[in-house]
Amino acid sequence: LAKTTQPISMDSYEGQEVNITCSHNNIATNDYITWYQQFPSQGPRFIIQGYKTKVTNEVASLFIPADRKSSTLSLPRVSLSDTAVYYCLVVGDNYGQNFVFGPGTRLSVLP
Amino acid sequence: NAGVTQTPKFRVLKTGQSMTLLCAQDMNHEYMYWYRQDPGMGLRLIHYSVGEGTTAKGEVPDGYNVSRLKKQNFLLGLESAAPSQTSVYFCASSMVYRVGDTEAFFGQGTRLTVV
Repeated sequence: LAKTTQPISMDSYEGQEVNITCSHNNIATNDYITWYQQFPSQGPRFIIQGYKTKVTNEVASLFIPADRKSSTLSLPRVSLSDTAVYYCLVVGDNYGQNFVFGPGTRLSVLP
Repeated sequence: NAGVTQTPKFRVLKTGQSMTLLCAQDMNHEYMYWYRQDPGMGLRLIHYSVGEGTTAKGEVPDGYNVSRLKKQNFLLGLESAAPSQTSVYFCASSMVYRVGDTEAFFGQGTRLTVV
């Protein structure tokens, strides 16, 4: 399993764009990069997933450079409700143990 | 569509008591997982199952047992509860669409306190 490293915490203000970078130096060829969001007292929920280049959905964008050793989750114009913990995961063919969650990045959005 | 449902949502146990947490999913997923989450920490995998009738150990399996007799249900048992097992327990399920292309769906959690 590829190990991931991301900042423990970040602060932002409402309306700003937030970028959270995750490093995964030993990512394997078949691995995808996946991000989950967790609000207090709730289970994590899927945000976005990508293999290379850029992926965008209604919630976020995911930027993956050509070497795939890092990735950046971009949240446009955050609001107070985006305050949560964000987890970066590398998901591959180890089906039973794909979802290994580190401590994540605690994002605090301030008014 | 209920997704992943955990029962109960809250429970207080005395040290040495036993209990079973039930996880049910209605998405016909092959893979199911049990995690625990302690305050301020990420989720740690306790046990998982890759299909009906199969179980395997995760990162922190000691003190827990699991069973997957039916595809839609994954049970987590504590035979003799200890205060160190006070935690929030999350169940999840997933389906693999292709290698790497998979998404986990989580339940709302069970808050367990052992006194």
